[in-house]
Amino acid sequence: DGGITQSPKYLFRKEGQNVTLSCEQNLNHDAMYWYRQDPGQGLRLIYYSQIVNDFQKGDIAEGYSVSREKKESFPLTVTSAQKNPTAFYLCASSDLLAGVRDNEQFFGPGTRLTVL
Amino acid sequence: AQSVTQPDIHITVSEGASLELRCNYSYGATPYLFWYVQSPGQGLQLLLKYFSGDTLVQGIKGFEAEFKRSQSSFNLRKPSVHWSDAAEYFCAVDYNDYKLSFGAGTTVTVRA
Repeated sequence: DGGITQSPKYLFRKEGQNVTLSCEQNLNHDAMYWYRQDPGQGLRLIYYSQIVNDFQKGDIAEGYSVSREKKESFPLTVTSAQKNPTAFYLCASSDLLAGVRDNEQFFGPGTRLTVL
Repeated sequence: AQSVTQPDIHITVSEGASLELRCNYSYGATPYLFWYVQSPGQGLQLLLKYFSGDTLVQGIKGFEAEFKRSQSSFNLRKPSVHWSDAAEYFCAVDYNDYKLSFGAGTTVTVRA
């Protein structure tokens, strides 16, 4: 089955530690996205990538880093510089077909990160 | 600044009653509009989307939404709610840059 997988589902981290969240897709989508979700704030874009080896900052990139070495993978690292990292993190992907504006994003099941 | 507003934080509706969730956006041109649903602790599922053409769009699970350019709105409706519709609903807008801006969400509670 095609889809997006995120691991782990729950993640606990001590203050001062970096942690990496995994996101893999087998939909052959060009674009991938990372969002952070906090209660009452909807989803906020952290980073996105439209092509391998290239990515752009979203609205709240500070304290996060990403890489896009393979089309199917877009891991997110939450660094110790992120002041309030406890949140629900969602990864998404979409196709970018030339001449077709079908930017439906498909979402993974999410990772809940808790900083202890 | 471009924004997406969902005025209702929480709506409670009786099973079998109709439901309408409001969404307003700020943009000069017609953006690309989406409604997603999220069950607790899960990812988001697309309900429907609007790009152009007929302003009334049909989606999955019996939902529909109407685009009104004059009101910059894209409200979601369902004629008869089922208990399984209890979830959080997000309106999202693509302002022609392949990124989505999300509203804060509306939580729907269904009472028996």
